[in-house]
Amino acid sequence: GAGVSQSPRYKVAKRGQDVALRCDPISGHVSLFWYQQALGQGPEFLTYFQNEAQLDKSGLPSDRFFAERPEGSVSTLKIQRTQQEDSAVYLCASSLGGALGYGYTFGSGTRLTVV
Amino acid sequence: AQKVTQAQTEISVVEKEDVTLDCVYETRDTTYYLFWYKQPPSGELVFLIRRNSFDEQNEISGRYSWNFQKSTSSFNFTITASQVVDSAVYFCALSEASTGNQFYFGTGTSLTVIP
Repeated sequence: GAGVSQSPRYKVAKRGQDVALRCDPISGHVSLFWYQQALGQGPEFLTYFQNEAQLDKSGLPSDRFFAERPEGSVSTLKIQRTQQEDSAVYLCASSLGGALGYGYTFGSGTRLTVV
Repeated sequence: AQKVTQAQTEISVVEKEDVTLDCVYETRDTTYYLFWYKQPPSGELVFLIRRNSFDEQNEISGRYSWNFQKSTSSFNFTITASQVVDSAVYFCALSEASTGNQFYFGTGTSLTVIP
């Protein structure tokens, strides 16, 4: 596709509910990243994939967060048993190569609100 | 410790004024990249510029210019003759060779250009 597509655009979840956020990267981009952006803050790194391999998940805040990219294209970020502190915009980005030296192309994000 | 500091939280200028957004970074790496992104109200992060640590040449692109000074660990961004469409949140970001693929973002500067 022409850009990075994320769905849904908005998600309201009741506390304790599981959610799944989808990211369609730019075709041919081998690297995919997830970031979490709290209100009024800069994005914070969650995890990084190179093709289907999750090479870095050091930013995932707890074991309730899980990401996958089984075929090296579409990725899903899953949050189990959501809590209020999970409320944020979740941004997906893709890159031709690694982040170092390359710019990312970001999607518009999924705004998650946990009530 | 914050690796990227954007001390200006909010700036308002009148249209056609020049404005400079400050960015100070911290790293022990000799190889690193600095970036600026624009985040309009729609939410996506738009890539503006990438600069590597070995290239201190200033850069100009239309009304935008960037001043990279390693001596002060700063990478400032100037918009000349600002326009209403420049209103957005601007983020400075750092990627380091030692930490691989994650970006470190500042907290952003919200720029409002008043017509």
